[in-house]
Amino acid sequence: EAQVTQNPRYLITVTGKKLTVTCSQNMNHEYMSWYRQDPGLGLRQIYYSMNVEVTDKGDVPEGYKVSRKEKRNFPLILESPSPNQTSLYFCASSLRGGSTEAFFGQGTRLTVV
Amino acid sequence: AQSVTQLGSHVSVSEGALVLLRCNYSSSVPPYLFWYVQYPNQGLQLLLKYTSAATLVKGINGFEAEFKKSETSFHLTKPSAHMSDAAEYFCAVSDRTSGTYKYIFGTGTRLKVLA
Repeated sequence: EAQVTQNPRYLITVTGKKLTVTCSQNMNHEYMSWYRQDPGLGLRQIYYSMNVEVTDKGDVPEGYKVSRKEKRNFPLILESPSPNQTSLYFCASSLRGGSTEAFFGQGTRLTVV
Repeated sequence: AQSVTQLGSHVSVSEGALVLLRCNYSSSVPPYLFWYVQYPNQGLQLLLKYTSAATLVKGINGFEAEFKKSETSFHLTKPSAHMSDAAEYFCAVSDRTSGTYKYIFGTGTRLKVLA
């Protein structure tokens, strides 16, 4: 089954404790991205990767890092989480961005206390 | 910069009534346009997309959208609402000109269907 898998689905952590949210896709897609969803703000792009060689900041990259060492995986890293990073996070992949459909993971609800 | 506006953060319709969810984009060059739906506790899934073929686009679950360049709009419609249509709907654009092909999402419209 074609899918984007995120883990964990739910996470509660404390301020400053490094965490990683994993994302994996099995569709051989080139383009992957991370979004955060906040009430009234819709989805905002954190980082995107056009392929394993190109990764760049989205609209709200502060406090986040990503890595694209292989095509299928695109983990999101929070080196020192803060309460304002409490949000619902989505990973998405598409064949090449642009006109192609984005496939989304189930989401990770992160709470930073 | 490219942007997308969804009018109405909440829309309520009666079951069987017309659904109309509004989306306007800002770009001199028509972008790629999408509508996604998000059911509770789930990720987003594609309803339909416009990529410069037919201006009237049909999607899943009886939804359709019409691209109107003169109005820079891509409104989503469904002739008859069903209870299962209750969800949050997002309009998104992808800029053809920047070279990054990033998606930009609207703030979403939550659709409530009344029995």
